Amino acid sequence: AQSVTQPDIHITVSEGASLELRCNYSYGATPYLFWYVQSPGQGLQLLLKYFSGDTLVQGIKGFEAEFKRSQSSFNLRKPSVHWSDAAEYFCAVAMDSSYKLIFGSGTRLLVRP
Amino acid sequence: KAGVTQTPRYLIKTRGQQVTLSCSPISGHRSVSWYQQTPGQGLQFLFEYFSETQRNKGNFPGRFSGRQFSNSRSEMNVSTLELGDSALYLCASSLGDRVYEQYFGPGTRLTVT
Repeated sequence: AQSVTQPDIHITVSEGASLELRCNYSYGATPYLFWYVQSPGQGLQLLLKYFSGDTLVQGIKGFEAEFKRSQSSFNLRKPSVHWSDAAEYFCAVAMDSSYKLIFGSGTRLLVRP
Repeated sequence: KAGVTQTPRYLIKTRGQQVTLSCSPISGHRSVSWYQQTPGQGLQFLFEYFSETQRNKGNFPGRFSGRQFSNSRSEMNVSTLELGDSALYLCASSLGDRVYEQYFGPGTRLTVT
């Protein structure tokens, strides 16, 4: 069965520091990969997606993610974190024709002033 | 273009009652998916509809049901509410063909007392 692992429950970084959030998936083929962000009491906002092609994808708000097939990973990065980035981040995978997303358990990002 | 809208935003119900939640997708999107989000179980897929047909269903009891109308709006119903049904219910829409990125609404917060 497909699964998504986000090994870090919480991450705290200082404002202006770089960020990397980890995501590993379990699936026999290359899935469709997504990162979403959720602010408290809100729905999920799509940050970026990977379907195929260039393994480094750019998203909104200065985020990027790199797909590494050999490591079954899709880590999210940002070179300089802003206080407004404090939120919960979810990695998700989907299979072609499954019509559903499988989410990781999320990583809560705290930003120190 | 307007985003995904969900009504109501908040609901308080009593055990044993039933509830209906509504979702209006982004204009032009024909697929609507529903997810349940709880602190303990995270984000779990309920079901997905496309052109009034359910294409996929998650592992939830039959008390959870849904439907989609010809204008792509969707409703989900939970009968005989249990305390454990307290959650944020998220609706997402997508174009619907194969796998496309899903865009989420703000959610309906259901509290069962």
